[in-house]
Amino acid sequence: GQNIDQPTEMTATEGAIVQINCTYQTSGFNGLFWYQQHAGEAPTFLSYNVLDGLEEKGRFSSFLSRSKGYSYLLLKELQMKDSASYLCAVVDSNYQLIWGAGTKLIIKP
Amino acid sequence: SQTIHQWPATLVQPVGSPLSLECTVEGTSNPNLYWYRQAAGRGLQLLFYSVGIGQISSEVPQNLSASRPQDRQFILSSKKLLLSDSGFYLCAWSRTENSPLHFGNGTRLTVT
Repeated sequence: GQNIDQPTEMTATEGAIVQINCTYQTSGFNGLFWYQQHAGEAPTFLSYNVLDGLEEKGRFSSFLSRSKGYSYLLLKELQMKDSASYLCAVVDSNYQLIWGAGTKLIIKP
Repeated sequence: SQTIHQWPATLVQPVGSPLSLECTVEGTSNPNLYWYRQAAGRGLQLLFYSVGIGQISSEVPQNLSASRPQDRQFILSSKKLLLSDSGFYLCAWSRTENSPLHFGNGTRLTVT
C-alpha cells in the first residue's frame, strides 16, 4: 500500500529552527508538496519538490531525496504565526495525490 | 489572478436532510477540481475529482455525489445526510495533476 509518515506533533521555540520530516512509500513518484494549515482553515501551498535537493523560499526550505523516499521542511526564525499543521503530499505514478496526516507544530515563546 | 469561492462556511443539518455545497473558480479555464473531507484531527480524504465538464471520478463509495455542470463550477450533494458525514469539506483546483492545489475556505458541516 501507499504510505506517508510524518510526526504527529512537534514543539519549538520562537526564533529557533525546526525540521519536519516526511517519509513516503508510494507506487512511483511525480513530485512532493508541503502545505500549511492553520487550525480551522484550509491548507495553503508552501513548496514543491520534484528533483533531489533543497528548495528555499524565504524562511522556509524543503529538501527531497528520492532514493531515500524522504523529504523535510525546514522553518527558520520561527514566529508564533507558524503554529499550524504541516502536510506532506506525494504525487504517485498515476498522478494521484497521497496525503500524510500532518504534523502539528506548536511554537512556544 | 485566480480565486476559488466555496459556500456556505458553516452548516448544521439534521440526519436525513439533503446537502448541496457549491464551489466556483475564477480566473482560469478547464481547471482540475476536487472535493476533500477532513475529519477532526485527521488527514485529507479525497472524495471526488473532475478533469472536465461532466467528468467525475469518485474515490470513496458513500452517499455523496458530485457534479460539474459548468467548467468552473463543482457541486457536492447528498440526498440523505448521515451523522458520519460531519466534517470539514474543502473544494480545490489545480492546473494539472501535479500542480499545487489551491483550496477554498472550506465548509464545516455538522450533522445532528
